[in-house]
Amino acid sequence: GAGVSQSPRYKVAKRGQDVALRCDPISGHVSLFWYQQALGQGPEFLTYFQNEAQLDKSGLPSDRFFAERPEGSVSTLKIQRTQQEDSAVYLCASSLSTGGAAGELFFGEGSRLTVL
Amino acid sequence: GQNIDQPTEMTATEGAIVQINCTYQTSGFNGLFWYQQHAGEAPTFLSYNVLDGLEEKGRFSSFLSRSKGYSYLLLKELQMKDSASYLCAESEGTYKYIFGTGTRLKVLA
Repeated sequence: GAGVSQSPRYKVAKRGQDVALRCDPISGHVSLFWYQQALGQGPEFLTYFQNEAQLDKSGLPSDRFFAERPEGSVSTLKIQRTQQEDSAVYLCASSLSTGGAAGELFFGEGSRLTVL
Repeated sequence: GQNIDQPTEMTATEGAIVQINCTYQTSGFNGLFWYQQHAGEAPTFLSYNVLDGLEEKGRFSSFLSRSKGYSYLLLKELQMKDSASYLCAESEGTYKYIFGTGTRLKVLA
């Protein structure tokens, strides 16, 4: 597709379950970002990939959060042993820019996670 | 976002002009973005400023003053469909984007 695609759009998990959220960036976009957005808040940075390399994971809230992009295209954000505070929308964004001048971010529609 | 300050909510009338202000910390500054986000949807790009001055794009304009760490988004001839959250985002360094909490704009008939 032409845009950033995320799945699932909605996920309900019981506390303690593991979840995996998928992101398909725009073809050819080198940079990929994961953000967490709580209700009424702006997106908060989680992690950044340049191709398959995870250059920054400083925003991941705990070691229960793990992200990968093994072939430099599709990325997966995994959350182990989910907690209620993990409930949020997880946004994926991709960009042509690899550094230097900042580039426009193209966002997916997000995966809304609800932990019961 | 701890580095970004913008009003939480604004209300304006259809056909009017509204200005949404944003202040940011200037260290490592590499550009200022504005995004529009309708409820339940993805943020979409509106504008990008890296040099001082005004960038105009149709009904939307964005202004930047780097020395003051200040930007604003100006929306003219407001339409009902402009009701959305407007996110100010600072680019720091080579890839980091810091978002504000967003300004929720309500356009009234």
